[in-house]
Amino acid sequence: DTVLTQSPALAVSPGERVSISCRASEGVNSYMHWYQQKPGQQPKLLIYKASNLASGVPARFSGSGSGTDFTLTIDPVEADDTATYFCQQSWNDPFTFGSGTKLEIK
Amino acid sequence: EVQLVESGGGLVQPGRSLKLSCAASGFTFSNYYMAWVRQAPKKGLEWVATISTSGSRTYYPDSVKGRFTISRDNAKSSLYLQMNSLKSEDTATYYCARQGYYYDGTYYSYYFDYWGQGVMVTVSS
Repeated sequence: DTVLTQSPALAVSPGERVSISCRASEGVNSYMHWYQQKPGQQPKLLIYKASNLASGVPARFSGSGSGTDFTLTIDPVEADDTATYFCQQSWNDPFTFGSGTKLEIK
Repeated sequence: EVQLVESGGGLVQPGRSLKLSCAASGFTFSNYYMAWVRQAPKKGLEWVATISTSGSRTYYPDSVKGRFTISRDNAKSSLYLQMNSLKSEDTATYYCARQGYYYDGTYYSYYFDYWGQGVMVTVSS
């Protein structure tokens, strides 16, 4: 299975820019997607196919990457962005998710 | 507004069966692939099953293949997950999700664009 590796946690201050990385154990083309999960809630799609903003998602969120290295960027960060962010690939079978990056807003 | 509402969760003994349901509304259910994704307590997400629009094709990871069966009733806008031979490691919150796609002219890219609130399944004696 394709393993997606994310750093466990990050802490930033409001107004700053933060980049959350996701590295795949094998190439996934540009078929990487990003989700936000706030405590006690279901995941929410943020970015699909590496760089496409999902409907209703603020333009503060953006995605980039191809192959094995991908980045979700939030600029500027707001207090409400406190959440865990997951990447997911759909190029290789089975679909797999990263373990998540917990973002803390100082 | 897209809504997905799961039901049928609960406490079940190892080796027993359980069937989850998901009621969909706010979109044309028969036009979309649907999926189940689970999340063990304090853990990450794991894709569990996908079903095609007509129900003729189903997809599973090895961890549940042969034990879980996904199905749908387009007339009722409903999705189901029959779980047999349950194990303690199946303990998780199970989410019903709409599977969206992006077609770039060559390949389809699949993702989960709407999720239900989830239903808890606990497998324990």
